[in-house]
Amino acid sequence: AIWMTQSPSLLSASTGDRVTISCRMSQGISSYLAWYQQKPGKAPELLIYAASTLQSGVPSRFSGSGSGTDFTLTISCLQSEDFATYYCQQYYSFPYTFGQGTKLENK
Amino acid sequence: QVQLVQSGAEVKKPGASVKVSCKASGYTFTSYYIHWVRQAPGQGLEWMGIINPSAGSTSYAQKFQGRVTMTRDTSTSTVYMELSSLRSEDTAVYYCARPITVNSPGDAFDIWGQGTMVTVSS
Repeated sequence: AIWMTQSPSLLSASTGDRVTISCRMSQGISSYLAWYQQKPGKAPELLIYAASTLQSGVPSRFSGSGSGTDFTLTISCLQSEDFATYYCQQYYSFPYTFGQGTKLENK
Repeated sequence: QVQLVQSGAEVKKPGASVKVSCKASGYTFTSYYIHWVRQAPGQGLEWMGIINPSAGSTSYAQKFQGRVTMTRDTSTSTVYMELSSLRSEDTAVYYCARPITVNSPGDAFDIWGQGTMVTVSS
């Protein structure tokens, strides 16, 4: 199985800040990486797929980068609705695995 | 619109089985794989396995091999996930999810069911 290290696990920031979340793979996965946002009591929502492609309807302040083993999700200007938990996911090979999650909280 | 609607919450005793359904609508059922993902309370997401609704073929995470069975009913556009020999650690929200790309098992999930809470308690 491919192991993922997502960091940080907790991120405190304020509205208007630029934040970055990282995901590192135990082996190369090309660009088979997605980022999801999850709010309490809700199913995850897809933000980014293929490492850097913005899902339809997702605001352009979200962006993704990376390939191989190192990936990054950036939110350029935090809005109040962005405080949530974020997960990376590899879909390069079974079993598909998720990062441990990053909880983005309001400072 | 495209949606996946799951069955309601379940409470089971240890050792029992649970069967969760996921009904698809708004698209051609047999054209998209369905994955199952679970999330224990306060924990992260865990991939359980995948079913091809067209062929009925499946692939399961090793952790669940021997305890999980995924099936489908094409007449009702419904997939099922049955988990047996339940233990307290199986208490979680179970989600079905559909990949972005038609006829592709390997893609991100853009459509999710609303989740089904399964509680295992004596």
